[in-house]
Amino acid sequence: EAGVAQSPRYKIIEKRQSVAFWCNPISGHATLYWYQQILGQGPKLLIQFQNNGVVDDSQLPKDRFSAERLKGVDSTLKIQPAKLEDSAVYLCASSLGGRADNEQFFGPGTRLTVL
Amino acid sequence: GDSVTQMEGPVTLSEEAFLTINCTYTATGYPSLFWYVQYPGEGLQLLLKATKADDKGSNKGFEATYRKETTSFHLEKGSVQVSDSAVYFCALYNAGNMLTFGGGTRLMVKP
Repeated sequence: EAGVAQSPRYKIIEKRQSVAFWCNPISGHATLYWYQQILGQGPKLLIQFQNNGVVDDSQLPKDRFSAERLKGVDSTLKIQPAKLEDSAVYLCASSLGGRADNEQFFGPGTRLTVL
Repeated sequence: GDSVTQMEGPVTLSEEAFLTINCTYTATGYPSLFWYVQYPGEGLQLLLKATKADDKGSNKGFEATYRKETTSFHLEKGSVQVSDSAVYFCALYNAGNMLTFGGGTRLMVKP
């Protein structure tokens, strides 16, 4: 079975520019997560979708970050405008069930560098 | 709020050595506890879990016991292999909340 796909794998931008990341979860997985992982730290949840509805976006900096999951499958995460402190790996994960304690399957991540 | 603290790495061991990676947590109630592993170039994957006190999770020779009295979930393996080299993340789930991860511990196993 195919795993969680993410693109691009790497992105370098200058501050104040915009960037978008794409995620394709495992087929049939209703729940999709976006995490931010800053170097040396564990992943921190940004947003959780159940199908195409938002379950938890309490830690998403909504002034600059946005995410959508159209048709309950693929998802995009956007940053506009980017700041230096947004440099991190952005991880997408998916799971069958709606609770975060269901096994989550992670993609390889997108490494963002903001100069 | 909930938090997870792991021992800092890197942990460097020779093949067949005994491994312990310490993990302690702070949480109200009765969280579920997890170890996720990230091999080089790959996404995180679930290694093992325990859902209540005194439960032991085990997989691929790794094991961890949920100790509520010490709020710990230390990861152990009796004999590590080079292929175990990875970053290990301890995490907890508290009902209705998100998965909270520790900072990760890098393990390097030398032949």
